[in-house]
Amino acid sequence: QQQVKQSPQSLIVQKGGISIINCAYENTAFDYFPWYQQFPGKGPALLIAIRPDVSEKKEGRFTISFNKSAKQFSLHIMDSQPGDSATYFCAATDGTSGSRLTFGEGTQLTVNP
Amino acid sequence: GAVVSQHPSWVICKSGTSVKIECRSLDFQATTMFWYRQFPKQSLMLMATSNEGSKATYEQGVEKDKFLINHASLTLSTLTVTSAHPEDSSFYICSASGPMNTGELFFGEGSRLTVL
Repeated sequence: QQQVKQSPQSLIVQKGGISIINCAYENTAFDYFPWYQQFPGKGPALLIAIRPDVSEKKEGRFTISFNKSAKQFSLHIMDSQPGDSATYFCAATDGTSGSRLTFGEGTQLTVNP
Repeated sequence: GAVVSQHPSWVICKSGTSVKIECRSLDFQATTMFWYRQFPKQSLMLMATSNEGSKATYEQGVEKDKFLINHASLTLSTLTVTSAHPEDSSFYICSASGPMNTGELFFGEGSRLTVL
């Protein structure tokens, strides 16, 4: 019940295209859903996050879509750029766990020029 | 955003020696810090939760005596890999809860440990 399932494992997109990464969760107590971006040899960096009271959040080229009833959320990267090539992790936590995150398996995104 | 600094960024040691990795919150106080381990092309695996002034809480399967965690102040947590062996070689990453207690986590840059 603590798992967060992420797909696809890898994704190749052309420059200017839309990258879409999906995550699904089971624990209905989760109330905070962040996405992290990680470059090789570096720690993850928070990209964007959402709480269940909204269905969508947009920050620049990055959008989270959240479907509470389906227990799914996704990251959309518009106008994907080669500099977006990285590994992306979705995660989830609940308010009682003190930011103890459950991570998805990760998606290796490659944006071709 | 809040900054978490991790040191060293990489370390090479001989088998049987101990290695200490430091995690500091630079501009905020972190009552809770987390230590993760990450193997190549895999996700982050939570090793333990470190609370200032108390014993760390280890995840199932993580050896407490192998991975010693100390959180002596509100800005510093340390992970000591004792009697390191080649199988302990990995990327270790710390994180800290942000100052606003919103659930947001800030990560260090990670420490690459190679045990020869």
